[in-house]
Amino acid sequence: DAKTTQPPSMDCAEGRAANLPCNHSTISGNEYVYWYRQIHSQGPQYIIHGLKNNETNEMASLIITEDRKSSTLILPHATLRDTAVYYCIADSGGSNYKLTFGKGTLLTVNP
Amino acid sequence: NAGVTQTPKFRVLKTGQSMTLLCAQDMNHEYMYWYRQDPGMGLRLIHYSVGEGTTAKGEVPDGYNVSRLKKQNFLLGLESAAPSQTSVYFCASSNTGYEQYFGPGTRLTVT
Repeated sequence: DAKTTQPPSMDCAEGRAANLPCNHSTISGNEYVYWYRQIHSQGPQYIIHGLKNNETNEMASLIITEDRKSSTLILPHATLRDTAVYYCIADSGGSNYKLTFGKGTLLTVNP
Repeated sequence: NAGVTQTPKFRVLKTGQSMTLLCAQDMNHEYMYWYRQDPGMGLRLIHYSVGEGTTAKGEVPDGYNVSRLKKQNFLLGLESAAPSQTSVYFCASSNTGYEQYFGPGTRLTVT
C-alpha cells in the first residue's frame, strides 16, 4: 500500500469549495486513490475513488495529477454537515481486498 | 434495507470478562471486516473475511477471535478483555473490498 500524507486539519467557509490535498508520491501503477470521510462518532463513509482520470459523483470531485503523485478532493459547496475527518487511501485493493486508513484531515466548515 | 448493523452499541466490561460483538449485513456482501478506532487515531483492521467460513488476520489481531458461519454475520470475540481493548469497534462489509459500508460502531470500555 502506498503511504499517503494529508494535512491534519483545514478550515473552509460554508458555501465555498473545500479542496483537500493528499500526497501519495510512492503510488504504484495499479493503486487507486480512495477517499472516505468520518463524521463525528459515526462509521466512515465512502466518497469516491479513481485511478488516473478525474472523477465526479454527487458528493465530490477527485482530481489526480498527471504523474499520480498527488490528488485533491473537492467538495464544491461545503456545508456544516461536511465537517468530518477525510481519509485519503492509496491502495491496489488487490489480493487482500482491504484498505489501510491513516489519520486523515479534519475539515471544519465554518458558518 | 438496514445495511450494516452492530450489536451492542455500548458495553462496559471488567478485566478478564469475555464478550461477543455481532455484525450483520443484509446486502449479500462477500467481504466483512472488523476495525478498532482509538481516540485521535485512524481505523486499524483487526480481522476480516473474504467469504462465508473464511477469516484472516489484519493489523492488530491479538486478543480477538472471529467467526463467519453465515454470510450475513461476522462475530468478534474477546476471550479475556483487557483495558487496552477499550475502543470503538466498527464493522464493515463490501463486495469489492474498496467500497466498504460501515456500521454505527460499538463503544467498549474495559475497566
